[in-house]
Amino acid sequence: QQPVQSPQAVILREGEDAVINCSSSKALYSVHWYRQKHGEAPIFLMILLKGGEQKGHDKISASFNEKKQQSSLYLTASQLSYSGTYFCGTEVRDTDKLIFGTGTRLQVFP
Amino acid sequence: ETGVTQTPRHLVMGMTNKKSLKCEQHLGHNAMYWYKQSAKKPLELMFVYNFKEQTENNSVPSRFSPECPNSSHLFLHLHTLQPEDSALYLCASSQRIASGAYNEQFFGPGTRLTVL
Repeated sequence: QQPVQSPQAVILREGEDAVINCSSSKALYSVHWYRQKHGEAPIFLMILLKGGEQKGHDKISASFNEKKQQSSLYLTASQLSYSGTYFCGTEVRDTDKLIFGTGTRLQVFP
Repeated sequence: ETGVTQTPRHLVMGMTNKKSLKCEQHLGHNAMYWYKQSAKKPLELMFVYNFKEQTENNSVPSRFSPECPNSSHLFLHLHTLQPEDSALYLCASSQRIASGAYNEQFFGPGTRLTVL
């Protein structure tokens, strides 16, 4: 049931873009995205509840393809502050579980 | 205090010890969670409490025992742990409606546990 994230790691220069993918083998009710900096607690980014839904704030956005059971997180014009590990969490339909992926480590250099 | 607090921040214990982790949320939420985060594994949901009732026990060994005396406090009692239980234990809270999806979770800073 654990969602699969790709890539496992990304290295960027400031200003570059990145895409992180999250795929599930099960039908999803929702997809959550969190970012965790080293030594800190995970911080909520956004939740997507409906197929086709897209959300974003600042230059980080996400989409949810319900049919393909996957979500993508888009980081545009990356900043140093974007560095950290990004986790997707998936809630499978008809369960009461939120299961996180293995994470994608993102490093942004000047 | 604001947000979600956890104590202690670091804990070293022997395999025969008994200890407890404490979590407190100051957000007025009605759901609280325990997660385990190991070095090379994803966040693993351990326990869920909705409205002080345990609704999820994710196949966690009985050497971990949760307690939720009220909607603001959550404990994780530990006894006869194994070295492989060494990890970061995170507490989180959220506001859930009775039949709704998981909402935004607010995480505490975690307790770094080392079992010798």
